[in-house]
Amino acid sequence: QLQLQESGPGLVKPSETLSLTCTVSGGSISSSSYYWGWIRQPPGKGLEWIGSIYYSGSTYYNPSLKSRVTISVDTSKNQFSLKLSSVTAADTAVYYCARMWQWLDYWGQGTLVTVSS
Amino acid sequence: EIVMTQSPATLSVSPGERATLSCRASQSVSSNLAWYQQKPGQAPRLLIYGASTRATGIPARFSGSGSGTEFTLTISSLQSEDFAVYYCQQYNNWLTYTFGQGTKLEIK
Repeated sequence: QLQLQESGPGLVKPSETLSLTCTVSGGSISSSSYYWGWIRQPPGKGLEWIGSIYYSGSTYYNPSLKSRVTISVDTSKNQFSLKLSSVTAADTAVYYCARMWQWLDYWGQGTLVTVSS
Repeated sequence: EIVMTQSPATLSVSPGERATLSCRASQSVSSNLAWYQQKPGQAPRLLIYGASTRATGIPARFSGSGSGTEFTLTISSLQSEDFAVYYCQQYNNWLTYTFGQGTKLEIK
């Protein structure tokens, strides 16, 4: 059974960089059929796709976040990571990692990141 | 950007009754639409993809229909565990995803 687990700091200061890692178990991140990505959900609000990465390193980002987002992959560790720079309170959200092709079929449990001084 | 609009925002239905949720796209997405269910404190769960194909393990009471710009998720006989928030998501543009704002299905 494929499992994804997010990890990283739960509190980030304004203007700093949010960094999260997703560890994939029960399957290989190097599968040729899938992309891997990040989605976030502000408290009480809906879902927003942040970006996606292929095991080769090809990336696709939400245009509204593109200038601040970097997603990378480490196939040796079966992990992929998210960096979001210059964060503000508006970036406070639950951040999910997920396996995606066209739909998103496996999700991590999510991790709450709060931006506050 | 393709905008997805769901209606209603909140739907109140009694257990055992049918629920019909709508999702509209700002431009045609063909059948490139998925539905998700999210319960409090949990990650979303994939219900439907390709507008009408149930994901693995999803009960037959869940069905999806539509194409182009108008889509419907129907739950034929509501069970207590079905009360949740439902999201639609388009994937018509290659590797760019947008979600609707969600419909909260609550017990009447």
